Amino acid sequence: QQQVKQSPQSLIVQKGGISIINCAYENTAFDYFPWYQQFPGKGPALLIAIRPDVSEKKEGRFTISFNKSAKQFSLHIMDSQPGDSATYFCAASRQAGTALIFGKGTTLSVSS
Amino acid sequence: SQTIHQWPATLVQPVGSPLSLECTVEGTSNPNLYWYRQAAGRGLQLLFYSVGIGQISSEVPQNLSASRPQDRQFILSSKKLLLSDSGFYLCAWSAGYSYNSPLHFGNGTRLTVT
Repeated sequence: QQQVKQSPQSLIVQKGGISIINCAYENTAFDYFPWYQQFPGKGPALLIAIRPDVSEKKEGRFTISFNKSAKQFSLHIMDSQPGDSATYFCAASRQAGTALIFGKGTTLSVSS
Repeated sequence: SQTIHQWPATLVQPVGSPLSLECTVEGTSNPNLYWYRQAAGRGLQLLFYSVGIGQISSEVPQNLSASRPQDRQFILSSKKLLLSDSGFYLCAWSAGYSYNSPLHFGNGTRLTVT
């Protein structure tokens, strides 16, 4: 049973555009929702995270939007740059610092 | 600062051979430790996690096993590899259970079983 569903699988965006990746979860006990960024041959690195009592969190060009009633959250990358080209994973867990359940990932390509 | 080390970076092993992947964490004590496997198109699958020495929880039944012989050392093993064990194996650690203690990943081991 896939507990975190991520879409799209791949995304191509023009430089300067907005990249949007969506995730949906099933387990209402999840209490922590991070996004990870992974470059080829490297391990994933934490990008930004949100708690369910907040509807939006912004860090630089990266924003998480969270809809608790719909059990959905999304990552928005503003002014997308070629250096943002990577695979992005959403994840969820019952508690920060505990095992994460990951989505299947989105491969983002930002064309210059 | 804390760092996590995984080795080897790449490994090619024949079917039926044993496996030992090692992960160590520096700069922290009593971390939570995790092994994940990443296969193409399947995201990251949790294999094992440990909250202390000798304490291992398995998430997926398979021919892999994990051990934690020391506080900051986590080992992934197999007695006989299968072709389906090929993948990218990632070790991760967290310092605790707060929002300031996210999971930090190592750079992984690319395992190819031939």
